[in-house]
Amino acid sequence: RKEVEQDPGPFNVPEGATVAFNCTYSNSASQSFFWYRQDCRKEPKLLMSVYSSGNEDGRFTAQLNRASQYISLLIRDSKLSDSATYLCVNSGAGSYQLTFGKGTKLSVIP
Amino acid sequence: NAGVTQTPKFRILKIGQSMTLQCTQDMNHNYMYWYRQDPGMGLKLIYYSVGAGITDKGEVPNGYNVSRSTTEDFPLRLELAAPSQTSVYFCASSQHPTNEKLFFGSGTQLSVL
Repeated sequence: RKEVEQDPGPFNVPEGATVAFNCTYSNSASQSFFWYRQDCRKEPKLLMSVYSSGNEDGRFTAQLNRASQYISLLIRDSKLSDSATYLCVNSGAGSYQLTFGKGTKLSVIP
Repeated sequence: NAGVTQTPKFRILKIGQSMTLQCTQDMNHNYMYWYRQDPGMGLKLIYYSVGAGITDKGEVPNGYNVSRSTTEDFPLRLELAAPSQTSVYFCASSQHPTNEKLFFGSGTQLSVL
């Protein structure tokens, strides 16, 4: 069974802190990787795709390690508005099915 | 720009009742999906469609049916509702499969009592 594993948290961090989440995946054939953000009782929204070379979008940095089969998300200078659940997502080769992790809950505290 | 629209937002069903969750997208996306999300769990794919007239089962299709008569609409039918179908249901669409952003509807909270 193809799984995506995440630490459910919660991660409680003060404003301005740096926080990192890891996610491991079991499907070595996975081609695409994403981080989605989900606010309480809301739909998931794409935060960023994850590329083999790593990528950055403002305060967010995503990394992929294919050898160890994990991806990471680093959030710098945390804001209160970053409080949400972060979903790790990947897809298999030739598959229409995305596999979602259960999510990591982040609470940024004033 | 409406994006993906789901109705209803909330519904309570009695065991054995049937209902249809509606999903419409106005982005001319070929790919549409139905997911369910149970508390503390990841999203599970119920059914998906790669275009009008073409649908296929996902990971958890039992107890559900879908149709795709137009590019815009992808309704999900629950027949003989069971308590195990209590969940939040999300419809989503994308221009391309798996390697592009999914656009989600706002979800339907369904309780079967």
